[in-house]
Amino acid sequence: EIVMTQSPATLSVSPGERATLSCRASQSVRSNLAWYQQKPGQAPRVLIYGASTRATGIPDRFSGSGSGTEFTLTISSVQSEDFAVYYCQQYSNWPPLTFGGGTKVEIK
Amino acid sequence: QVQLVESGGGVVQPGRSLRLSCAASGFTFSDHGMHWVRQAPGKGLEWVTIISFDGSSTFYAESVKGRFTISRDNSKNTLYLQMNSLRAEDTAVYYCAKDPGYSSSWQGRFDPWGQGTLVTVSS
Repeated sequence: EIVMTQSPATLSVSPGERATLSCRASQSVRSNLAWYQQKPGQAPRVLIYGASTRATGIPDRFSGSGSGTEFTLTISSVQSEDFAVYYCQQYSNWPPLTFGGGTKVEIK
Repeated sequence: QVQLVESGGGVVQPGRSLRLSCAASGFTFSDHGMHWVRQAPGKGLEWVTIISFDGSSTFYAESVKGRFTISRDNSKNTLYLQMNSLRAEDTAVYYCAKDPGYSSSWQGRFDPWGQGTLVTVSS
């Protein structure tokens, strides 16, 4: 099973600042990585797939990078609606499909 | 637009059974694999199971293997999750999600998700 590790667990940022979230895989997942955003009381929604492809309707302030075992989700200028929990997920070697533990982006 | 609506959650005693449903609309249901993903209260996401577009193939997480069964009725555009021998640790919001891959080309990711249904296992 591929273990996904996200850091930090909590990221405190001010609106307008840049946020950088990390995700590490226990073995290479190539570019088979997705990022999801989950707001309180809501279902997750996909932001990024293929490590760097924005899903339909996702603002361009969200960008993904990396391949192999190290990945980054960057929010170039955090908006109020971006405060949420973010999960990475690998779909390279499965079953099982596995998620990271999440990074909570909170208001500083 | 694509819509997934789960139902069937509730409070159930340990050892009992429950069946969840997920009604799909806005896309050709029979073209896509479908997943169940769960989230325990205050915790992260855990993939549970997947079924192929035609129902011929299924995979399960080890934590539910032998207790849960995924199925689908393409004539009704509905996905199911039969949960037997429920345990306290199965308490979670259960989400159904569409796999973006077509036919036999599963991708193993989730887009979109339903709103979820809460299952509470408690005596």
